[in-house]
Amino acid sequence: EDQVTQSPEALRLQEGESSSLNCSYTVSGLRGLFWYRQDPGKGPEFLFTLYSAGEEKEKERLKATLTKKESFLHITAPKPEDSATYLCAVQASSNNNDMRFGAGTRLTVKP
Amino acid sequence: DAGVIQSPRHEVTEMGQEVTLRCKPISGHDYLFWYRQTMMRGLELLIYFNNNVPIDDSGMPEDRFSAKMPNASFSTLKIQPSEPRDSAVYFCASGTSGGSRTQYFGPGTRLLVL
Repeated sequence: EDQVTQSPEALRLQEGESSSLNCSYTVSGLRGLFWYRQDPGKGPEFLFTLYSAGEEKEKERLKATLTKKESFLHITAPKPEDSATYLCAVQASSNNNDMRFGAGTRLTVKP
Repeated sequence: DAGVIQSPRHEVTEMGQEVTLRCKPISGHDYLFWYRQTMMRGLELLIYFNNNVPIDDSGMPEDRFSAKMPNASFSTLKIQPSEPRDSAVYFCASGTSGGSRTQYFGPGTRLLVL
C-alpha cells in the first residue's frame, strides 16, 4: 500500500533561519510527487510536482528535491508569511489520477 | 479562471439531517475529486470522477455518503443521515488527465453536525 510520512509534524523557525521538511514515501511506481501549501481555513495550494529522482524545482524561498525514497522541501531565509502547513502527496503510476497525502508539517516562522 | 468553487463554505446541521455539498470544477478539467480533512486522519480521498463517471469510491465511508456528477461543471456530495462524526472540512479538487496531473483544490466546506 502506498504510504507517505512527513517529518517533523511541526517546526518553529526564526525569520531567516533556513531548514528542510522531509517527505518519505513508499509507492509502487512513482508517477509524481506533489507539494502543497495550506493556510488555515483554506484549501491546499499547489507548489511543485517532481517526477524523477534527482529532479529539483524552485519557487522564491522554496526548493523541492526528490530521491527514490524521499523528498525535501528546503526553505531558505524564511519569512513570517511562509508560515503554513506543507503537504506532500504521491501519485502512483498504477492509479488513474488519485493521490495519497501525508499528514503535513506545520511551519511557524517567528519575526 | 475562478478556480474550483464550493458551496456552502460553512454548514451547521443537526444529527439525522441531510447535507448536500456542491462543487464547480475548473472549466476544461476532466477529473473531479472529493476529499475529507480531519485533524485525526488528515486529507482522505472519498471518491473521484473522470468525465463525469465515478472511477473509485472506495474511500466513501458508508452508504450514508453518495456523490454525483450530472455534468462537467457540477458535482454534489450528499450525506444522509448525517452524524456528528461526519464533522470535517470537505474539499473538492479538479485536474486534467494530461500534463502534470496536478489537482487544484477549492476553499472547502466546513461541516459541523451537532
